[in-house]
Amino acid sequence: DTGVSQDPRHKITKRGQNVTFRCDPISEHNRLYWYRQTLGQGPEFLTYFQNEAQLEKSRLLSDRFSAERPKGSFSTLEIQRTEQGDSAMYLCASSLTSVNEQYFGPGTRLTVT
Amino acid sequence: QQPVQSPQAVILREGEDAVINCSSSKALYSVHWYRQKHGEAPVFLMILLKGGEQKGHDKISASFNEKKQQSSLYLTASQLSYSGTYFCGTHHAGGTSYGKLTFGQGTILTVHP
Repeated sequence: DTGVSQDPRHKITKRGQNVTFRCDPISEHNRLYWYRQTLGQGPEFLTYFQNEAQLEKSRLLSDRFSAERPKGSFSTLEIQRTEQGDSAMYLCASSLTSVNEQYFGPGTRLTVT
Repeated sequence: QQPVQSPQAVILREGEDAVINCSSSKALYSVHWYRQKHGEAPVFLMILLKGGEQKGHDKISASFNEKKQQSSLYLTASQLSYSGTYFCGTHHAGGTSYGKLTFGQGTILTVHP
């Protein structure tokens, strides 16, 4: 069990550019979640997958955001035409089932200049 | 609906005890507790399922009052390593968002020597 990993750990981009983040969950975990966290706040739910199926997207997730989990293993989160308000820590978590504890990865800190 | 945590901040000396509360206005299926240190990802502490159970390991324990939709985290004989921000994440009963967690705003715990 190597834990949840995320790449990159830090990303600085200019407004208007596209960025993509990757998350590798714990290997036997079927559930994968994306959260966003800003300074002084708790994580906010963005979307989640059961295997390769995306089951829910938050209203926070505008059309500029898209997530995939093509083979039910790793997942990618893409943000198109980044805005300064997108600056945040993007956290990925995984769990064995919907009722089990979620384990978080180290996060990707995005800074949009 | 975001759960409400209290207090917002606690300052302790080593060896003192603390209680952090988490309340929800919606029926809960489970409550998850996490600790996050500055610049790091949230670390899972424990999960409590409906049924009013109480859990604990080492000197950290928690209870879940299903009728009141409340959970409390108890830290006894605090250590310097307990410092951080504590979040409760709630999993609401019913609906179709199985597994999705809604986090409170956090409680900042500072332990001094």
